[in-house]
Amino acid sequence: DADVTQTPRNRITKTGKRIMLECSQTKGHDRMYWYRQDPGLGLRLIYYSFDVKDINKGEISDGYSVSRQAQAKFSLSLESAIPNQTALYFCATSDRGVGTGELFFGEGSRLTVL
Amino acid sequence: GENVEQHPSTLSVQEGDSAVIKCTYSDSASNYFPWYKQELGKGPQLIIDIRSNVGEKKDQRIAVTLNKTAKHFSLHITETQPEDSAVYFCAARSNFGNEKLTFGTGTRLTIIP
Repeated sequence: DADVTQTPRNRITKTGKRIMLECSQTKGHDRMYWYRQDPGLGLRLIYYSFDVKDINKGEISDGYSVSRQAQAKFSLSLESAIPNQTALYFCATSDRGVGTGELFFGEGSRLTVL
Repeated sequence: GENVEQHPSTLSVQEGDSAVIKCTYSDSASNYFPWYKQELGKGPQLIIDIRSNVGEKKDQRIAVTLNKTAKHFSLHITETQPEDSAVYFCAARSNFGNEKLTFGTGTRLTIIP
């Protein structure tokens, strides 16, 4: 089984719908991240969390919210999806932070908003 | 904020030849530069990284060089193999205690058998 598991892997939805992407990890890491990948734009940070009581905005948090339900679970929500949120979303974990340690990514959740 | 530019966006090389991918960064305070490899349908995976106090680092067929004065760093893959075909991302992290890694836009490397 994968260390970082994302569900769903693919989702097609309509404008205005609420969507939740879920991430769970078995690596025992405290730090969890949500990134968005768009063609030609690389990966951009949406939100990150150091523990269940610590949630921080990344560079593109508008239109998104997150919930850290437990050390191992970090969910990303789109309250009212819009077409320009169509992208590939990645959850990642780290034990020491991005400046000192490796990011471990899930396999991604491809979201299409019609 | 930090800005990372990556070139080329696509690169094709014959199997056995070398491949070089280059990145430039804007923030002179950046001190950590990882490279991630993303295979089709997978998440990115760290392949090598370098810190600002080091000029070069090697791991078997992969090497990374850093020129702090010019603010650029490069990934070198020697003796390329078909399994090296993937998208490669460079990244830079500023030394200001935040969790923001700024990624380049990616290079799609294709190894021609």
